[in-house]
Amino acid sequence: AQKITQTQPGMFVQEKEAVTLDCTYDTSDPSYGLFWYKQPSSGEMIFLIYQGSYDQQNATEGRYSLNFQQARKSANLVISASQLGDSAMYFCAMREGGRDDKIIFGKGTRLHILP
Amino acid sequence: KAGVTQTPRYLIKTRGQQVTLSCSPISGHRSVSWYQQTPGQGLQFLFEYFSETQRNKGNFPGRFSGRQFSNSRSEMNVSTLELGDSALYLCASSLEFQGVRETQYFGPGTRLLVL
Repeated sequence: AQKITQTQPGMFVQEKEAVTLDCTYDTSDPSYGLFWYKQPSSGEMIFLIYQGSYDQQNATEGRYSLNFQQARKSANLVISASQLGDSAMYFCAMREGGRDDKIIFGKGTRLHILP
Repeated sequence: KAGVTQTPRYLIKTRGQQVTLSCSPISGHRSVSWYQQTPGQGLQFLFEYFSETQRNKGNFPGRFSGRQFSNSRSEMNVSTLELGDSALYLCASSLEFQGVRETQYFGPGTRLLVL
């Protein structure tokens, strides 16, 4: 079963608009962490934001915020006031509790910001 | 603080050859993980090293191996290369404090092309 689902293969958004990238996850472990990474065409994975399953508040990092709805098992990324430089591939990822340090990635959403 | 570095950035090999990729983690990070990224399979976990020991392994054949040195630098080796090994290989490092793993930070990757 797919543990991380990103249902939007691609999105086109006008510059300066807010954008929401969807992510749903599946785990039975009460302790887990959720991540969003950005991957520009250069290939490097850039860490954006992290949400722990026990965190009481939604994570925010500058223009990025994570809309964490635990009951629905969703962890959507919200980018406010989008910029041309936000055009990239975005990956949602999860690490479950326990010894494993492997992170499971979704298939990604390619975001295009239009001028 | 310098980020994760990977060498070489680009590599072209032929089938049957072997290749060694190198990763230097962020200073102070002792956990190093490797991922393979292909258009078809997305990001897949290869293995993780911590304090010179392989701590976790993904579902890859034995042709894929790795090691970690006392300075936390890591290498991965792929023997008897196949066309399907063409991919972007990403290395990530993370800090582990009192058994709690922090966010993984990725390097720029090594693009391997097998002809």
